[in-house]
Amino acid sequence: GQQLNQSPQSMFIQEGEDVSMNCTSSSIFNTWLWYKQDPGEGPVLLIALYKAGELTSNGRLTAQFGITRKDSFLNISASIPSDVGIYFCAGQLAGTASKLTFGTGTRLQVTL
Amino acid sequence: EPEVTQTPSHQVTQMGQEVILRCVPISNHLYFYWYRQILGQKVEFLVSFYNNEISEKSEIFDDQFSVERPDGSNFTLKIRSTKLEDSAMYFCASTSGQAPQETQYFGPGTRLLVL
Repeated sequence: GQQLNQSPQSMFIQEGEDVSMNCTSSSIFNTWLWYKQDPGEGPVLLIALYKAGELTSNGRLTAQFGITRKDSFLNISASIPSDVGIYFCAGQLAGTASKLTFGTGTRLQVTL
Repeated sequence: EPEVTQTPSHQVTQMGQEVILRCVPISNHLYFYWYRQILGQKVEFLVSFYNNEISEKSEIFDDQFSVERPDGSNFTLKIRSTKLEDSAMYFCASTSGQAPQETQYFGPGTRLLVL
């Protein structure tokens, strides 16, 4: 099956620092998504990317859909304490409302 | 803002018992999903449902699992005879299916513990 690997597995950063995390796939996806999960809650969509090469921002978040369609990165600028959580990438193939394949997650801890 | 809701938030059951997890998807959405997340692991797809039938299911979704849309608002996941390894967070998701932004919105989850 399709595998999505995220790196790093976890990060400890200081408030105000920038963060970068990656997601790579063994196969091509047509849509890449980034979700954030707080403890005990469901994933919340942060950014969606629909075209290879696309660079999209949402406030302090920036994500890019890799040209090969096998990777994506997420950057967070000027981190704040509420950025703490687990960040998951997810890939989706073409086809109406197809399933999401989730990555292994990056756990982010922000210290003051 | 509309959201997906799930009940119960927590469920504890004995091995071999049947459980039904309930979801109310966003009202104008047409596609529904169940995912699960074993503690400390990634979110895994179980099943998708459209037009009153299963569209796709994973290897995890064996004969012990079933889904149903009993009325116009609820979407349920039934586990017929629970096993210890069914302990996980179960998330319901829904989407309108309108391309290109077929965003799936997730509920808060049901934490299932099988003893």
